[in-house]
Amino acid sequence: EVQLVESGGGLVQPGRSLRLSCAASGFPFEDYAMHWVRQVPGKDLEWVSGLSWSSDVIAYADSVKGRFTVSRDNAERSLYLQMNSLRADDTAVYYCATLGDYGFDYWGPGTLVTVSS
Amino acid sequence: EIVLTQSPATLSLSPGERATLSCRASQSVSTSLGWYQQKPGQSPRLLIYHASNRATGIPARFSGSGSGTDFTLTISSLEPEDFAVYYCRQRRSWPLITFGGGTKVEIK
Repeated sequence: EVQLVESGGGLVQPGRSLRLSCAASGFPFEDYAMHWVRQVPGKDLEWVSGLSWSSDVIAYADSVKGRFTVSRDNAERSLYLQMNSLRADDTAVYYCATLGDYGFDYWGPGTLVTVSS
Repeated sequence: EIVLTQSPATLSLSPGERATLSCRASQSVSTSLGWYQQKPGQSPRLLIYHASNRATGIPARFSGSGSGTDFTLTISSLEPEDFAVYYCRQRRSWPLITFGGGTKVEIK
């Protein structure tokens, strides 16, 4: 069974940093691209970042470019999102997801990040 | 960036009725379009991929159609559990992925 579990969310002050993690199991993690998607509670979904299985292709939404860094450790079967210079509008539930082709599409339960003083 | 526009924003229907949801892309995405269902407090669930292919375990009352810039998700006869928010998503510009703004299907 495919499982994705995010961790690292919480309350953080504006301007500070936070690192999210996603632990994957139940599939060959090293073979799949991975993504971060966020959602302000009650609002729509926003793709944040994605990277290829080998980390040689990485992309970011304009809203986080230059502040967020995505990475992965295939040996640890983990995905990360380093979030710097956090702003109030970064407050959201952050999901780790495969968003794969041919229906290989799995999401974690999400972790809430709240940016507030 | 490929922008996806969903309509209507809200659809008010009764159980048993047919629901037709639209997603329009700002440029062609070929058939690299999927549809998700999301219920309160839950992660999105993939319903349709490649515009018209049902994901594993998705009931036959859900169907998708379209290519290029215009896509439709149809729920042939609404069940009580189908009242939720639906999103389209394109992966034509992978790794840059975009989602539509969502359509809420509510009970009339």
